[in-house]
Amino acid sequence: DIQMTQSPSTLSASVGDRVTITCRASQSISSWLAWYQQKPGKAPKLLIYKASSLESGVPSRFSGSGSGTEFTLTISSLQPDDFATYYCQQYNSYFTFGGGTKVEIK
Amino acid sequence: EVQLVESGGGLVQPGRSLRLSCTASGFTFGDYAMSWVRQAPGKGLEWVGFIRSKAYGGTTEYAASVKGRFTISRDDSKSIAYLQMNSLKTEDTAVYYCSRFNMIAGYWYSDLWGRGTLVTVSS
Repeated sequence: DIQMTQSPSTLSASVGDRVTITCRASQSISSWLAWYQQKPGKAPKLLIYKASSLESGVPSRFSGSGSGTEFTLTISSLQPDDFATYYCQQYNSYFTFGGGTKVEIK
Repeated sequence: EVQLVESGGGLVQPGRSLRLSCTASGFTFGDYAMSWVRQAPGKGLEWVGFIRSKAYGGTTEYAASVKGRFTISRDDSKSIAYLQMNSLKTEDTAVYYCSRFNMIAGYWYSDLWGRGTLVTVSS
């Protein structure tokens, strides 16, 4: 099974900050990685697919990069609506989520 | 409106069964594979299983943690996906989400999610 490790688990930041979240796969997954945003009590929302493709309707301040085993999600300028938990998910071989990164207000 | 709505959750005793439904609207349900994902209280996301569209055989795949106990099916005429859960354990307690699978080059990812339904397994 492919394991996904996200870091950090919690991140404290201020509005306007540039934020980077890292996701590492236990083996190569090519570019078959998605990023989701989840707010308390709500369903996850797709942000990025195929490592760097922005889902329609998602603000351009979100971007994804990486391939193989190392991936990053970057929020270029954190907005109040962005405080949430973020998950990566590999879909190269079945489906595995990372443990999540909670972005908190500093 | 394009949406998924889960239903059927509730409190159930260990060892019993429960069936969840995922009702789709706003898109051609039969064209898509459908997946179930769960989230235990205060925990992360765990993939449960998925069912391919009829065009891809309508076959199913499951996580090891539920294989042999859970069954996913679909009724394209009603735009509903089902998750039949048997021999429930306390560790199956979670919010269960259904999602629509989109596909690129033979690889599926979830592009639309429902709001989830809570299943509590307790005596």
